[in-house]
Formats: sequence, C-alpha cells, structure tokens
Amino acid sequence: GAVVSQHPSWVICKSGTSVKIECRSLDFQATTMFWYRQFPKQSLMLMATSNEGSKATYEQGVEKDKFLINHASLTLSTLTVTSAHPEDSSFYICSASILAGDSYEQYFGPGTRLTVT
Amino acid sequence: RKEVEQDPGPFNVPEGATVAFNCTYSNSASQSFFWYRQDCRKEPKLLMSVYSSGNEDGRFTAQLNRASQYISLLIRDSKLSDSATYLCVVNRYGNKLVFGAGTILRVKS
Repeated sequence: GAVVSQHPSWVICKSGTSVKIECRSLDFQATTMFWYRQFPKQSLMLMATSNEGSKATYEQGVEKDKFLINHASLTLSTLTVTSAHPEDSSFYICSASILAGDSYEQYFGPGTRLTVT
Repeated sequence: RKEVEQDPGPFNVPEGATVAFNCTYSNSASQSFFWYRQDCRKEPKLLMSVYSSGNEDGRFTAQLNRASQYISLLIRDSKLSDSATYLCVVNRYGNKLVFGAGTILRVKS
C-alpha cells in the first residue's frame, strides 16, 4: 500500500512554456499532498501544501502565481510550472501523508525531472 | 542555524561494518521523526519512524534523545545495497516535514 505515482517522470521544455505535473495516490485517499523541489546535491525543499477542495498553502519565497496547484480530488494533485525558465529546472517530487499511529508518514512519488532550455 | 543538521559524509565503510549517523534538530516542539533513504536521482523512501523508546528493524536501529534534540541511525552488517543518502526528517508542525541535507553512505566490497 501507500503508492504514489507522478507523471511525467521527466520533461524537457523551452523557456516560456508551462508544464503540468500530476501526482496520484494509487491505493489510498489523500486529503493532503505536498510538493517539493530538489536541486542537485541539496535537500528537499517544501514548496507548498496541497489541500483537497481548498487553496494550496505556499512556503515563504515560493510564488503562487508561478507554481499553480490544484487538488481536485482525494487522489490527484497537479502542479503547473507557468512560463518556465532555466532556473526552474529541478527535480519536483510530490508526497502524500498517511496517519500511522500518532504521526503522519509521508510517501513520495518517483519525481519529475524538469529541464527548461 | 538549519532546522535539521546532518554530517554530509561521505561515510566509506567495508561490507559487514557497523556505521552510525547522527542528526540534530532545532525545533523542540517537533513530535515526529523519521529516517528516509534516497538513492541517486530517485525519490526518498521511508526507512523507519523514530520513537522515543528507540526502535529496531532488522539491521537498522534508530534512537531519539529529546532532551538533546538528537536522532541517530545505526546500521549493522552493512551491505553494498545500503549505499545511499540517508535523510533525517523532522516534522515542523502538523504533518509538514523538514529534511536534513542527508548523509552519504558508500559500502565497498
């Protein structure tokens, strides 16, 4: 159980285009999903918390108009990188949390490697 | 000061060795603690949650010291397949997580 999928696994696009990344919980319902970004040799940085049926909560320094998040159902959250630029090239990973005992465990999708040329 | 600090390593150990990683966290209100494993260019995978009483899962033992805000991971009888980056993870509040930068382990034959 606790499988999270992401699509696409990698994408190359030209500067100025928009890219949509999908995150799905395959065998459970997730009211909350998270979007992270990871640059080479750095740790995961939380970008935003995606809540089903409501607006996403963005971390400080993350532009909500650039990184659009939609959590339309209990099994799907999408991240759209609008007007992508080379500095947006990164590894984008989503996760979904499950209550396990007294704490929430997070399970990650396989990630999407975005390269903007 | 970073919220979660780890020694980046790398730790280079022979097969069969015992290796320990440490991690400190700054938020005394944190309630949940985890070790994740991340292979190169892959997503993090949950290795184990860390409980106050300490817990063991096969060759892996995790300890938590709340007073010192310190978490450890011990790996016994290292295998080649244990080579990875080990991430110390702490919740900020609720179910938001903060990741350490990771400790690189290389197990060599």
